[in-house]
Amino acid sequence: AQKVTQAQTEISVVEKEDVTLDCVYETRDTTYYLFWYKQPPSGELVFLIRRNSFDEQNEISGRYSWNFQKSTSSFNFTITASQVVDSAVYFCALLIKAAGNKLTFGGGTRVLVKP
Amino acid sequence: EAGVAQSPRYKIIEKRQSVAFWCNPISGHATLYWYQQILGQGPKLLIQFQNNGVVDDSQLPKDRFSAERLKGVDSTLKIQPAKLEDSAVYLCASSYYRGLGTEAFFGQGTRLTVV
Repeated sequence: AQKVTQAQTEISVVEKEDVTLDCVYETRDTTYYLFWYKQPPSGELVFLIRRNSFDEQNEISGRYSWNFQKSTSSFNFTITASQVVDSAVYFCALLIKAAGNKLTFGGGTRVLVKP
Repeated sequence: EAGVAQSPRYKIIEKRQSVAFWCNPISGHATLYWYQQILGQGPKLLIQFQNNGVVDDSQLPKDRFSAERLKGVDSTLKIQPAKLEDSAVYLCASSYYRGLGTEAFFGQGTRLTVV
């Protein structure tokens, strides 16, 4: 069975601070994909990034960066120089190819960026 | 490109009543998911379709919930009879199945309140 754990339920920072969101996953499959989604107050889940299990390269996109480490089953997400618009709930998710692309979400981390 | 459409956006019903939600996925997307998101929690997969066949419904409370996807396009999720604990946001998502773990796109959800 697959599982995603986001231990931080809420993080509060002041604008321009960096914030790192932790994600730990469990799966016995060797082929899987990891995702981060953002859920702003409007409620719609917005796709941020996808990573497959064979690509451990870290990625940077603007103020966002992701650190994927298979050795610790972690896929952490960092927002650099946070802004008020980054306030949202962020979800890490795991997709298992062998299970017909079943997509399992973590519990989410609420990020509050104060001006 | 049009996104995932869901209706209604909001619904308030009394316990023991019935309710139905509708989802129109992105054109050409073979995979369709229904998730239940209780306030403060991550989305929980209820059922996953591949075209009009069910891939996973292990977490669907089958005594009261049902879903169908006729002709492999639109889908409806029904609750009959509703309980107080069914109060949640019901999210529909779709993905273009290429066997490569493509990301899922989400609708805005239907917020159900059972009183």
